Amino acid sequence: DIVMTQTPLSLSVTPGQPASISCKSSQSLLHSDGKTYLYWYLQKPGQSPQLLIYEVSSRFSGVPDRFSGSGSGTDFTLKISRVEAEDVGVYYCMQGIHLPPTFGQGTKLEIK
Amino acid sequence: QVQLVQSGAEVKKPGASVKVSCKASGYTFTSYGISWVRQAPGQGLEWMGWISAYNGNTNYAQKLQGRVTMTTDTSTSTAYMELRSLRSDDTAVYYCAREIYSNNMDVWGKGTTVTVSS
Repeated sequence: DIVMTQTPLSLSVTPGQPASISCKSSQSLLHSDGKTYLYWYLQKPGQSPQLLIYEVSSRFSGVPDRFSGSGSGTDFTLKISRVEAEDVGVYYCMQGIHLPPTFGQGTKLEIK
Repeated sequence: QVQLVQSGAEVKKPGASVKVSCKASGYTFTSYGISWVRQAPGQGLEWMGWISAYNGNTNYAQKLQGRVTMTTDTSTSTAYMELRSLRSDDTAVYYCAREIYSNNMDVWGKGTTVTVSS
C-alpha cells in the first residue's frame, strides 16, 4: 500500500496568519492519463470529512480561495493564506491512484 | 442538493454482524460509486471498499476481505455495508461517500457509530 506521510501533525496558528501542511507519498501519484490523484480533506470537530482540493490543486465547489494546493509526483502541500477560526479541524491528504486509497495520518489545526 | 443519509448507531456483541445503510438523494444514483471509510475512536481514516452503483462491481480492502459485503438497491438509491464476525477493533464511525471518479469522494454521509462490546 502507498504510505502517505503528513507534516506537521499539529499546527497552532494565529488568525490571519498563513499555514502550510506537507504530504509525501511513498510512490508517484502521477497517472498515465496525466492527472495526479491527490486529494485534501478537512474534518471539522464532530463532523464528517469534507473535500477541499482534488487533483492536487483544484478547489472543490464552495471552498474559499484562501485554500490552495500544489505539488507533483510524491511531494504535495496545502496552504491556507490567512487562517480563520472556521478552519480548525484535522486535515488529511489522500491518494486515489492506487488501490487501496490511503490517507495521511492527519494534521490538527488549532487557533492560537 | 446531493445528500447521503446513513442509518443510526448500532451496538453489537463480538461475533455478530452489522449492516449500515446509506440513502442517496439529489443525483442519479447509478451514475456514481459509493465508498465506505471508517474511523476508529481518536484515529485517522481507513478506506474499506467501493461499490459501483451502476453494475454492483466491488473492491474491498484486503484486510476486510471475507468479512465485508457492499451492496446497493437501485430502486431506493440505497447502499449497504455489512460487516460480519465483529471484533472490538471494529468499533468506529462508518462513513459512506459518493465516489465520482478515481476515488474522488466529494460528498460524505454524517457517519454511523458502530460499537462492538460484550
